[in-house]
Amino acid sequence: DQQVKQNSPSLSVQEGRISILNCDYTNSMFDYFLWYKKYPAEGPTFLISISSIKDKNEDGRFTVFLNKSAKHLSLHIVPSQPGDSAVYFCAASLAFYGGSQGNLIFGKGTKLSVKP
Amino acid sequence: DSGVTQTPKHLITATGQRVTLRCSPRSGDLSVYWYQQSLDQGLQFLIQYYNGEERAKGNILERFSAQQFPDLHSELNLSSLELGDSALYFCASSARGIPSGNTIYFGEGSWLTVV
Repeated sequence: DQQVKQNSPSLSVQEGRISILNCDYTNSMFDYFLWYKKYPAEGPTFLISISSIKDKNEDGRFTVFLNKSAKHLSLHIVPSQPGDSAVYFCAASLAFYGGSQGNLIFGKGTKLSVKP
Repeated sequence: DSGVTQTPKHLITATGQRVTLRCSPRSGDLSVYWYQQSLDQGLQFLIQYYNGEERAKGNILERFSAQQFPDLHSELNLSSLELGDSALYFCASSARGIPSGNTIYFGEGSWLTVV
């Protein structure tokens, strides 16, 4: 049973437009959420995170929104650039309650393609 | 470069064999994590060590074991290998810190192919 779901395996967006990647989770005890980006032949790299006490976190072109009531988070990339083309993983953590610092539960990823 | 080093990068071995994957965490990081990424799955958490002790266990098979040494490097041992164990194995590390600031840094992974 998947606790973190990314229902779109792929997404294609035109350069300069907004990319919206979605993620749903089932465990209401998750209290910390992260997005990772992964290029081929490389390990995932941390992109942005959000604590459950917030509903928005922004870092440059990247914004993560958290809707706790819907158990949904999204990553917005504005404007999208060809270099953003990668696989994006959503992850959730029980950092506060689970006692497992950094035990991240990942979704299966969404492959973003940004076309010039 | 995340600072996490994994060896070997690629490994091909036969069914029934045993392999050891090695990980050196970022300088100063006390936690090491192992993840498995197979073709149709996302990143599956296997196990976490913190300062030499097992901290959390995920979907790790009994045929697999890990340890973290006093110098904080870690090894993941995979035995009685099966075709389905073919995957990309990631090691990650994190520093001890407040949960809200906790992030994990991943190595480039070790590709294991079982034939």
